[in-house]
Amino acid sequence: GAGVSQSPSNKVTEKGKDVELRCDPISGHTALYWYRQSLGQGLEFLIYFQGNSAPDKSGLPSDRFSAERTGGSVSTLTIQRTQQEDSAVYLCASSWGGRGGSSGEQFFGPGTRLTVL
Amino acid sequence: AQSVTQLDSHVSVSEGTPVLLRCNYSSSYSPSLFWYVQHPNKGLQLLLKYTSAATLVKGINGFEAEFKKSETSFHLTKPSAHMSDAAEYFCVVSYISGSARQLTFGSGTQLTVLP
Repeated sequence: GAGVSQSPSNKVTEKGKDVELRCDPISGHTALYWYRQSLGQGLEFLIYFQGNSAPDKSGLPSDRFSAERTGGSVSTLTIQRTQQEDSAVYLCASSWGGRGGSSGEQFFGPGTRLTVL
Repeated sequence: AQSVTQLDSHVSVSEGTPVLLRCNYSSSYSPSLFWYVQHPNKGLQLLLKYTSAATLVKGINGFEAEFKKSETSFHLTKPSAHMSDAAEYFCVVSYISGSARQLTFGSGTQLTVLP
């Protein structure tokens, strides 16, 4: 596809379970970002991947959150032992290179809506 | 430090009337600024971007924004609202952090268009 895709689109889980969220960036984009959008709030940066460099994990809210990017393409965000406050829309974005090309534009996926019961 | 303030959490206009969504930014150097739009259950879509070229930026769907350095503002406008403009709008500032361009998002403005 031409855009960033994410799966699943919706995920309902029980408190304490682990979840995995997937992101397929635009082909050729070397930078990949994960954000969280909680109800009524703006986007919160979680983690950033650039090529084969070590990821920038400075936005991860706790050690229950982790992410990996295999082969410089697909990324998986894992949340262990989910809590109700993890309920949010998780957005993935990709861009041309770590500096997003000349302008920093990021292309966003449709998001995964996570609900923790 | 970079920050973005969207002055209105909700704006309501009648169809055919002008739209004004306000945004002020704080940046330690010349920023890149964006407006993104998010329709219900859809991903974020770039409306327009300012990258130190022309201060009046035209975007998609008839939207435009003017970068005013003296006022540290980047307000989004449209002369005539359409029902399909109803969505949430985010003002965003871009900055370099290490090797990456990071985005700081405003808290969003929900635009309602009344028939």
